[in-house]
Amino acid sequence: DIQMTQSPSSLSASVGDRVTITCRASQTISGSYLNWYQQKPGIAPKILIYAASTLQGGVPARFSGSESGPDFTLTINNLQPEDFATYYCQQTYYIPITFGGGTKVEIK
Amino acid sequence: EVQLVESGGGLVQPGRSLRLSCVASGFTFADYGMHWVRRAPGKALEWVSGISWNSGVIDYADSVKGRFTISRDNTKNSLYLQINSLRIEDTAFYYCTKDTGPSTTNFWFDPWGQGTLVTVSS
Repeated sequence: DIQMTQSPSSLSASVGDRVTITCRASQTISGSYLNWYQQKPGIAPKILIYAASTLQGGVPARFSGSESGPDFTLTINNLQPEDFATYYCQQTYYIPITFGGGTKVEIK
Repeated sequence: EVQLVESGGGLVQPGRSLRLSCVASGFTFADYGMHWVRRAPGKALEWVSGISWNSGVIDYADSVKGRFTISRDNTKNSLYLQINSLRIEDTAFYYCTKDTGPSTTNFWFDPWGQGTLVTVSS
């Protein structure tokens, strides 16, 4: 199985901060099959970015995704109160489909 | 509006069975792959199973293989998950989610249902 290692597992940040979350696959995968989701407590997950860097319609432009070598990065610029949530990366190239362990973004 | 509504969760004793349902609306259900994903308390999202548009491709996570059965009825816009031999560790919110492609790989999931809670306890 492809293991998706996300870091950090949690972080504390303030409104207005820039936040970076990293995800690395245990085997090489194309960025075409790497996605990012946001989940808030009590609410279903929501797609933010697909194919490593394509912003889903309706998602604010302060969210961005990138790929550098084996690492995939989700960046949130100018963190807003509504961004405090848990973020997951996902690979959909290999079965079983796997998610990262999640990164909980909390208010400092 | 694309909508997925799950049902069928509840409190169940270990070893018993349960059938989850998901009714879809707002899109051509028969064109897309569908998945079940769960989130146990305090844990990360875990993909459980996926089924292609015509049921020709069905995949399972190793943790549920042999106990869970995914199926769909395109005439009823419905997705199902039959869960047998329930274990304590199956306790989780179970989400139905739509693939953005016709099969079970290579795309992303959007949208997701609100989830149905399965609690396995004696």
